[in-house]
Amino acid sequence: DGGITQSPKYLFRKEGQNVTLSCEQNLNHDAMYWYRQDPGQGLRLIYYSQIVNDFQKGDIAEGYSVSREKKESFPLTVTSAQKNPTAFYLCASSPSKNVRLNEKLFFGSGTQLSVL
Amino acid sequence: AQSVTQPDIHITVSEGASLELRCNYSYGATPYLFWYVQSPGQGLQLLLKYFSGDTLVQGIKGFEAEFKRSQSSFNLRKPSVHWSDAAEYFCAVGAQGGATNKLIFGTGTLLAVQP
Repeated sequence: DGGITQSPKYLFRKEGQNVTLSCEQNLNHDAMYWYRQDPGQGLRLIYYSQIVNDFQKGDIAEGYSVSREKKESFPLTVTSAQKNPTAFYLCASSPSKNVRLNEKLFFGSGTQLSVL
Repeated sequence: AQSVTQPDIHITVSEGASLELRCNYSYGATPYLFWYVQSPGQGLQLLLKYFSGDTLVQGIKGFEAEFKRSQSSFNLRKPSVHWSDAAEYFCAVGAQGGATNKLIFGTGTLLAVQP
């Protein structure tokens, strides 16, 4: 079945540690996105990538980094510079970078990151 | 700047009752509008979308929404709620004609359904 897979489902980070959240899609989508979800704040865009080897900062990129070496993969690293990392992280993809051609975002099932 | 407002943080309805979830947007041009639903600990699933044309759009699971430009609204409705509709609902606006597909999400409305 085609879809987006996020792993792990739950992740714990120690202070000063970098952690990486995985996002893989087999939908052959060009664009991929990372959102952060906090209670009462909806979804906020961290980074997005429209094509391999290219990505742009979203609204809350500080303390995060990404890479897009392969079309199907868009891992997110939460660095030690992110002082409040506890949140639910959602990865999404869309067929095209151009919203006029795009029907919707396809979401993964999310990763809950907590700080120890 | 684009923005989306969902004024109701939490709504409780009885099973079988009608439902309306409110969404107001701020956008300079004609927006793309979406409603997504999220079950606990899961990703988001698209319910319906509005791009152009008929302002009343039908979605999955018996939901519909009406785009009202004069009110900058895109309220979600369902005539008879089922217990399985309990979830969090997000309205989103997208930039039409832009080079990117950045959606701006509202803060969500949590729907509880009582027997």
